[in-house]
Amino acid sequence: SQKIEQNSEALNIQEGKTATLTCNYTNYSPAYLQWYRQDPGRGPVFLLLIRENEKEKRKERLKVTFDTTLKQSLFHITASQPADSATYLCALEQGSGTYKYIFGTGTRLKVLA
Amino acid sequence: EPEVTQTPSHQVTQMGQEVILRCVPISNHLYFYWYRQILGQKVEFLVSFYNNEISEKSEIFDDQFSVERPDGSNFTLKIRSTKLEDSAMYFCASLLQGRVETQYFGPGTRLLVL
Repeated sequence: SQKIEQNSEALNIQEGKTATLTCNYTNYSPAYLQWYRQDPGRGPVFLLLIRENEKEKRKERLKVTFDTTLKQSLFHITASQPADSATYLCALEQGSGTYKYIFGTGTRLKVLA
Repeated sequence: EPEVTQTPSHQVTQMGQEVILRCVPISNHLYFYWYRQILGQKVEFLVSFYNNEISEKSEIFDDQFSVERPDGSNFTLKIRSTKLEDSAMYFCASLLQGRVETQYFGPGTRLLVL
């Protein structure tokens, strides 16, 4: 069956360090993968999209990698700040062109001052 | 900055009652979605709507659920006979066709079924 797995345990890191979050998937062949941020009681907010032919994508302090062989995406936040504390979700389109998105469980990040 | 709006922000209902959750998607968007998130769990796809009809739906979206776009701006989710397990946060989202990075979520409606 198709699965998207993220580390369900919370990740605590010190301010200024790099946070690395993992998204693994099975039985998908996604053309792209998305990362979202979700704050408590709020809707997800789109952060980055990486396509299958891109190895890496950057936006300010965020970096995403995509390894279609390993079926894994890594999401990095460099120089992390307490304001980066949130749950980060990865999402895939279930079938090409369906616009049907399946989300991972999310990883809660806490950046300690 | 365009945004998706949802009403009400909170809804409390008795089991067996009908509820209608409302959303106003971003005006030039063409795909509309409803997602559900049970407390502490992942965001789950319920249904997508395109060109005035359901495009995709999940196993969760059974006969108790329906969606409508009654006019040019609103998009609604109806639950005909609510169950306790329908208690969740319901998010509406919209997307501009062909621009998959433009999926915008609303703030959600917290539904509590007693």
